[in-house]
Amino acid sequence: KQEVTQIPAALSVPEGENLVLNCSFTDSAIYNLQWFRQDPGKGLTSLLLIQSSQREQTSGRLNASLDKSSGRSTLYIAASQPGDSATYLCAAVGGGGATNKLIFGTGTLLAVQP
Amino acid sequence: KAGVTQTPRYLIKTRGQQVTLSCSPISGHRSVSWYQQTPGQGLQFLFEYFSETQRNKGNFPGRFSGRQFSNSRSEMNVSTLELGDSALYLCASSWGDSGNTIYFGEGSWLTVV
Repeated sequence: KQEVTQIPAALSVPEGENLVLNCSFTDSAIYNLQWFRQDPGKGLTSLLLIQSSQREQTSGRLNASLDKSSGRSTLYIAASQPGDSATYLCAAVGGGGATNKLIFGTGTLLAVQP
Repeated sequence: KAGVTQTPRYLIKTRGQQVTLSCSPISGHRSVSWYQQTPGQGLQFLFEYFSETQRNKGNFPGRFSGRQFSNSRSEMNVSTLELGDSALYLCASSWGDSGNTIYFGEGSWLTVV
């Protein structure tokens, strides 16, 4: 059974810092891993999707990496801004057959202080 | 291109009632999934539909049900509501049967009193 863990649970940084959010999963048989952000009271916004055959994906100040062998993914945020404050969630899609079922981590609550 | 649309956005129901939530996926998407989000349990998978067929079901009681129509729109129903069903219900859609980016709606906030 796939389990996804995110560390740290909460993080507070001053504006301008570079930061790394961590995601671990127990079953390496995944189709892909997706990172989302969630603002308070809102739905989830897709940030990056990494296919199981890829090592990393980049979008603007965001870079996500995937290491299936160690069951880890990281989300790197460069030059953080107060607008980056949100909860960040990683989710794995299993590889046991055609599915879009997401297994979510518990999230990292990020606060970027101006 | 419109995103995933969920209705209603907010609703209050009484214990024992039933509720139906609706989801319109992004145009062209045939996969629709539903999730429940609560402060204590986080995001939990309810069920997944692809081309009107339920492919996966989460570990929820039979009071939770869903369906998908031929136009890919989906509904979920919760019967005999309990206080613990109070949650944000999120719908997600994706283009293919696996491996594509998954997009979420804004959710339906259900409060059971």
